[in-house]
Amino acid sequence: NAGVTQTPKFRVLKTGQSMTLLCAQDMNHEYMYWYRQDPGMGLRLIHYSVGEGTTAKGEVPDGYNVSRLKKQNFLLGLESAAPSQTSVYFCASSWAHRGQGNTEAFFGQGTRLTVV
Amino acid sequence: AQSVSQHNHHVILSEAASLELGCNYSYGGTVNLFWYVQYPGQHLQLLLKYFSGDPLVKGIKGFEAEFIKSKFSFNLRKPSVQWSDTAEYFCAVKGGSSNTGKLIFGQGTTLQVKP
Repeated sequence: NAGVTQTPKFRVLKTGQSMTLLCAQDMNHEYMYWYRQDPGMGLRLIHYSVGEGTTAKGEVPDGYNVSRLKKQNFLLGLESAAPSQTSVYFCASSWAHRGQGNTEAFFGQGTRLTVV
Repeated sequence: AQSVSQHNHHVILSEAASLELGCNYSYGGTVNLFWYVQYPGQHLQLLLKYFSGDPLVKGIKGFEAEFIKSKFSFNLRKPSVQWSDTAEYFCAVKGGSSNTGKLIFGQGTTLQVKP
C-alpha cells in the first residue's frame, strides 16, 4: 500500500517554464489537497478537491492550476514559474467528512521545487 | 476565518527534558485538532488527533495533547524527550462539520534535542 505518492521529488525550473506535479493516492480517498511549505509559514493550502472532476481554491491559489480527472490523481500545474514559487509542495488526501470518523489527512513525501 | 498559532518557533532541549509546545486556534464551532511531525527530509506524519470525547489524547512515541476548549488550546506534551524527537511539529485544525476536510496549519515549531 503506497499511500500518497508524489512525482517528481525534486525539480529545478527556469523562470517562465511550466511543469506539472503529480499526486496519486491508492486509499480511495474522496478529498485531495495541495499545500506549499515555506520556512516560518507552515503549510498553506493552494487548491483542493472534494471529488473527481471538482476543484476549489485554497489560501494561496495564484499562479497555480489543478485538475482531478481521476479520483486517485490530483495534478498541480505551474504555467509560468516564478522564483516566488520556490517551495516544498505536499499533496495530501483524506476521506470525506463522516461525523467523528477518520478524516485525518495523509501526506506525500513532498516535491522540492526551485525556480531560478 | 480559522487560524492556528504556535507560540514557540524554535525550541532547544536536552535529552530527558520535558516538552510542551503551545497551540491556539481561532474557530467558532466544533473542531478537529491534529499534531503532525516532520522529521528532517521526510513528509508529515500524524502524531495524534482529537475529534471528540476525552480531551487528553495520547499519540505515538509517548506524545500527548490536551484540548482545553475554554482556552482554544491544544498543547503538545512529552515527559522526556529523546534525540530522535528532533523534528518540526505542526498543529492543525479542521472545522468539525467541514465538508471539505481542509486543514489549517500553524507556523510550525522546530524542536532540537541535544544528546
